[in-house]
Amino acid sequence: SQKIEQNSEALNIQEGKTATLTCNYTNYSPAYLQWYRQDPGRGPVFLLLIRENEKEKRKERLKVTFDTTLKQSLFHITASQPADSATYLCALVSNNNDMRFGAGTRLTVKP
Amino acid sequence: DTEVTQTPKHLVMGMTNKKSLKCEQHMGHRAMYWYKQKAKKPPELMFVYSYEKLSINESVPSRFSPECPNSSLLNLHLHALQPEDSALYLCASRSRGQGPQETQYFGPGTRLLVL
Repeated sequence: SQKIEQNSEALNIQEGKTATLTCNYTNYSPAYLQWYRQDPGRGPVFLLLIRENEKEKRKERLKVTFDTTLKQSLFHITASQPADSATYLCALVSNNNDMRFGAGTRLTVKP
Repeated sequence: DTEVTQTPKHLVMGMTNKKSLKCEQHMGHRAMYWYKQKAKKPPELMFVYSYEKLSINESVPSRFSPECPNSSLLNLHLHALQPEDSALYLCASRSRGQGPQETQYFGPGTRLLVL
């Protein structure tokens, strides 16, 4: 069966450090992989998209990698700040517009 | 305008009521989604519309009935819901293409409580 797994339910790090979140999938052939941020009671906010033929994408302090051989994406937040505290979701999108989410990782950045 | 709007923000309904959730976007996106999200869980896909046609229905009970009257609007009609249907209902839209057009947008959600 298809699975999308994010490595940990919660991640606590110190301000200024790099946060690394993992998204693994099985029995999927996504066209895209996306990362979202969600704050409590709000809809997810799109952060980055990476295609199956791309290895890495960057946007300001964010970096995403995509390894289709390992079936894994890594999401990095460098120089983390307390304002980065939120739940981060990965989502896989197939060519027929099917979009599925992982369970999310709740990141807490402590000052 | 890079916004997906959803109305109402909150809805309380009894199990015998009929209500509708509305979603609107004016970004020209041709794929629109309904998701259900319970507390501390990820969004679960319910329906996908592509070019105003239902392309994915994730075996959702018939008490949920989606409708896409035009390319900007998406409705979710609710009837005879159960208390376990209480959740945050999220609408999203996406455009296929290159560059910024690939950006995906979610609405703020409708928080539904079924009594």
